[in-house]
Amino acid sequence: EADIYQTPRYLVIGTGKKITLECSQTMGHDKMYWYQQDPGMELHLIHYSYGVNSTEKGDLSSESTVSRIRTEHFPLTLESARPSHTSQYLCASGLGGAGTEQYFGPGTRLTVT
Amino acid sequence: AQTVTQSQPEMSVQEAETVTLSCTYDTSESDYYLFWYKQPPSRQMILVIRQEAYKQQNATENRFSVNFQKAAKSFSLKISDSQLGDAAMYFCACLIQGAQKLVFGQGTRLTINP
Repeated sequence: EADIYQTPRYLVIGTGKKITLECSQTMGHDKMYWYQQDPGMELHLIHYSYGVNSTEKGDLSSESTVSRIRTEHFPLTLESARPSHTSQYLCASGLGGAGTEQYFGPGTRLTVT
Repeated sequence: AQTVTQSQPEMSVQEAETVTLSCTYDTSESDYYLFWYKQPPSRQMILVIRQEAYKQQNATENRFSVNFQKAAKSFSLKISDSQLGDAAMYFCACLIQGAQKLVFGQGTRLTINP
């Protein structure tokens, strides 16, 4: 399996709480991505980064924010969690060259009550 | 914008038999890559196979092979000699050269019957 890690794996939290989902990789990849995936459904890109201090919004609008201060770390933050944020969040990284694959983390399954 | 469509939400196959998962895509770009990813239950998504659009030869990885029909924009995955460990969600995805962003299909849940 790829060297990309996400914590926590599961999180149940109340409405209005601030949460940060952690993602780190030890492969030295410049490109990192956050996807949102409802159970059994397709993945939607919500944020991506091409390197340190570079972040962009993805194709699916999200109230979350991201930062990329270090190459290996790409955390995602929700300032005020809502039940509509309940989903699985997958982090991925890649070299980003022509046609290179993305390596995925195990995901964080978030439930907002 | 590019789109990827998987028309089979669920498929099942007997162990040791062959199954084909369908995928169609739409893009106006000429330089792109196609992927099949596997997502086992509660485990990390991993790459199964990759195809460069400029290559006519279909990609093969052991028991996994693709049927890439560029004109028809079709990219099906064939799994031969199915094993219980093949049970998973399978996602087809397209990457436009330069865009560095994957677009995924809806997924196909594959069940292997012993």
